[in-house]
Amino acid sequence: AQKVTQAQTEISVVEKEDVTLDCVYETRDTTYYLFWYKQPPSGELVFLIRRNSFDEQNEISGRYSWNFQKSTSSFNFTITASQVVDSAVYFCALSEEHNFNKFYFGSGTKLNVKP
Amino acid sequence: DAGVIQSPRHEVTEMGQEVTLRCKPISGHDYLFWYRQTMMRGLELLIYFNNNVPIDDSGMPEDRFSAKMPNASFSTLKIQPSEPRDSAVYFCASRAPGTKNTEAFFGQGTRLTVV
Repeated sequence: AQKVTQAQTEISVVEKEDVTLDCVYETRDTTYYLFWYKQPPSGELVFLIRRNSFDEQNEISGRYSWNFQKSTSSFNFTITASQVVDSAVYFCALSEEHNFNKFYFGSGTKLNVKP
Repeated sequence: DAGVIQSPRHEVTEMGQEVTLRCKPISGHDYLFWYRQTMMRGLELLIYFNNNVPIDDSGMPEDRFSAKMPNASFSTLKIQPSEPRDSAVYFCASRAPGTKNTEAFFGQGTRLTVV
């Protein structure tokens, strides 16, 4: 079974629209860690944020915000007022307490922001 | 900080040839990971090292793949002999020592094409 599911394969929005990328995870560990990475067209993977399972506080960083809900096993990512430079593939990842060096990546969501 | 450095960025080789991918982790990081990214399988962990010692190589697809880390600042992933199905983007990542929730920092990847 998939440990991290990103059901949205591709999303297209027009610049300045808000967009939410969904991430649902599955784990039996009570302590685990969640991450978001961005892969722009140039190909590198850029770390965006990490969240511990015991910290459900949502986070905002500029136009980016993350909503972590343990009740629904979700860690969604919202971009407010999207820009063309936000166009990329976004990956959600999970690591578990008992094997914290193994990252389970979702299949990614490709975001196209059109001018 | 220069980040994780991989070379070459692109490699095209003929089936049956030996391919060596190189990685220089971020200085001070004691974990090093090799990932492979394909359309079909997404991001897969191949192997990881801690303090230059291979810890988990269960993701290495077969004996044609081998990885070494002779010192803290250098690692190689070798494929011998290469096959067309090895075509993928190979990422190296490193992680700082300390808490379990630290993120991994990725290099820019090596795009391998085996013809």
